[in-house]
Amino acid sequence: GQSLEQPSEVTAVEGAIVQINCTYQTSGFYGLSWYQQHDGGAPTFLSYNALDGLEETGRFSSFLSRSDSYGYLLLQELQMKDSASYFCAVTRGSTLGRLYFGRGTQLTVWP
Amino acid sequence: GAVVSQHPSRVICKSGTSVKIECRSLDFQATTMFWYRQFPKQSLMLMATSNEGSKATYEQGVEKDKFLINHASLTLSTLTVTSAHPEDSSFYICSARDQVRRGAAKNIQYFGAGTRLSVL
Repeated sequence: GQSLEQPSEVTAVEGAIVQINCTYQTSGFYGLSWYQQHDGGAPTFLSYNALDGLEETGRFSSFLSRSDSYGYLLLQELQMKDSASYFCAVTRGSTLGRLYFGRGTQLTVWP
Repeated sequence: GAVVSQHPSRVICKSGTSVKIECRSLDFQATTMFWYRQFPKQSLMLMATSNEGSKATYEQGVEKDKFLINHASLTLSTLTVTSAHPEDSSFYICSARDQVRRGAAKNIQYFGAGTRLSVL
């Protein structure tokens, strides 16, 4: 099995920086992904880490430490449209695509 | 635009009926697709891996006779909820990965828009 822990809610103001942490316990860890989901919508890919270190994609960055079973998503220059749920998900084994999701973090961005 | 299409987006049915949900990859071939369900304000739970030309692989605790999966072509997987009951009401989402072009190395999954199933 697997378990993932991430905060349930985070709030911030426009222009701020937010970090959403994710700790995981799983066998056969292969990589950590981050997805964004607006209410009632499809999850959309944000970032993926298979190796330790930082991945940067525009305003979003993700970090992974395999030895600590820990990762985070960093959102910079927050905008109102970033208000959504953010999920970390682990891939176990080499079957890419089998994602096991955390419970999600609801981010609310205030003006 | 969307690269994975899911249909229907919403279905309401009576208890005891079966409902089929389609998931299509639009401009790439997908030998595997994945089905998830999501309860309100909760996480996505992986139900099964749909394998083209072979049997689906179900996650522990998912009833294979209840949730029939067929992956008859490289662009289409279907999930049939058989003899649906109110407890099957949920948001069902499929995903697929473009193994050749878009984001293959980054393990990018493209999700359908989901199907909201309500069983009366």
